[in-house]
Amino acid sequence: GEDVEQSLFLSVREGDSSVINCTYTDSSSTYLYWYKQEPGAGLQLLTYIFSNMDMKQDQRLTVLLNKKDKHLSLRIADTQTGDSAIYFCAESSNSGYALNFGKGTSLLVTP
Amino acid sequence: NAGVTQTPKFQVLKTGQSMTLQCAQDMNHEYMSWYRQDPGMGLRLIHYSVGAGITDQGEVPNGYNVSRSTTEDFPLRLLSAAPSQTSVYFCASSVAGENIQYFGAGTRLSVL
Repeated sequence: GEDVEQSLFLSVREGDSSVINCTYTDSSSTYLYWYKQEPGAGLQLLTYIFSNMDMKQDQRLTVLLNKKDKHLSLRIADTQTGDSAIYFCAESSNSGYALNFGKGTSLLVTP
Repeated sequence: NAGVTQTPKFQVLKTGQSMTLQCAQDMNHEYMSWYRQDPGMGLRLIHYSVGAGITDQGEVPNGYNVSRSTTEDFPLRLLSAAPSQTSVYFCASSVAGENIQYFGAGTRLSVL
């Protein structure tokens, strides 16, 4: 299938901003998503963006989409230790019956 | 409103045994999917269904069967378990055309 690529690991200090990056190859992607997975838990939808948008902000979360470069980023402002988790980028181009996931970025927030 | 419910939460099997992972949703969603999650591999699609009576294969379907006799239920069957099927399995559902998938809490399966 089409590829979704993410860096595997990010470490930030508490209070700093975190930026998690993702690239994808499918030019027909219509929705792009960020999911959060805490240890031993399922996937929690954090936010998503439609492909005709450039930016979406939701409280501490900012999603930026560069459709030309097929690049998606998630910025978490004022990162807290509770934000430590794995963050998955995903895309959908098939009306939503399945998502294509990246391998996940492990975010470690240190005090 | 329970959302997507998966049972069991944990399971240990011996090689060659069969079992069924259950998934049920109470949101009247048309679409349901099964994924497996392996370390360093992200989530990979096993099978999916776009409605009762309709199923299709995903990226990694070998060794798994599915059926969808009702809108609510989408069980995943392992016919003869192999150690390579040790994984965390997630079920998801979504409304047709809304592109938002809701995930269950997962089933952690070990095959010895």
